[in-house]
Amino acid sequence: ETGVTQTPRHLVMGMTNKKSLKCEQHLGHNAMYWYKQSAKKPLELMFVYNFKEQTENNSVPSRFSPECPNSSHLFLHLHTLQPEDSALYLCASSQEVSGGLSNQPQHFGDGTRLSIL
Amino acid sequence: GQNIDQPTEMTATEGAIVQINCTYQTSGFNGLFWYQQHAGEAPTFLSYNVLDGLEEKGRFSSFLSRSKGYSYLLLKELQMKDSASYLCAVFDSNYQLIWGAGTKLIIKP
Repeated sequence: ETGVTQTPRHLVMGMTNKKSLKCEQHLGHNAMYWYKQSAKKPLELMFVYNFKEQTENNSVPSRFSPECPNSSHLFLHLHTLQPEDSALYLCASSQEVSGGLSNQPQHFGDGTRLSIL
Repeated sequence: GQNIDQPTEMTATEGAIVQINCTYQTSGFNGLFWYQQHAGEAPTFLSYNVLDGLEEKGRFSSFLSRSKGYSYLLLKELQMKDSASYLCAVFDSNYQLIWGAGTKLIIKP
C-alpha cells in the first residue's frame, strides 16, 4: 500500500469513447502528478498540480484533460484517444513547498493500464 | 538536451551482488533518486543522494559523484524478490525530475 490509489487498474476503450482515470492520495501531500509510462521509455510527465493549481502541462494533446478538485484527488479525462496512447498511466503525489522548489520524493500509485482499440 | 542513461537489462544470481549504473547530463543538479518498480506495480522510492559519497540502507546502497555525473545502485545478497526494474531520476536546476528508462534486473537461482 503506497498511499496513492488509482482506479481502474485496467481500461480498454475504443477511440471514440470517453472515460476518466481517478487518483486519490491519503498522504496529506499538496502536489499531484500524471505520468505516462511506455515500454522501455522514461516516464513522461504530463501534468502537475501544486496546491490545486496546474503548474505544468508538458505539451500534452488536448484529448487528455486533467482535473484536480482538491489536494487529495486527481482525474484524467480521456476522449477520442489514439492507439499510441496505449500505456501505463501513473499518478504520484509529493509534499511540496510554496513556489515548487522541493526535493521531496514522489509516491506513486500502481497505475492504470490503458489499451486503445 | 537532458539525458539519463542506464543499462536496459541486467542478469544476476541469487545471493550475489549487482551494481546498476546511471549517468546523467542535466541542466543543473538538485539530487538523484533511485526507485524500484515490480511488474504491474507502483515505482517505490529507494534512495536519494544530493552529496557525493555512498548512502547505505540495509542490502541496498547508492553512490553519487557529481563531478562525473554518475551514480550507482548496489544490491547485495540478492533475493528473487529483487527482480524488478530500477529507475534513476535527477532533479535539474528547476527541480524538474528527469527520468531514465529503467534497468530491468533479472535474478536467477
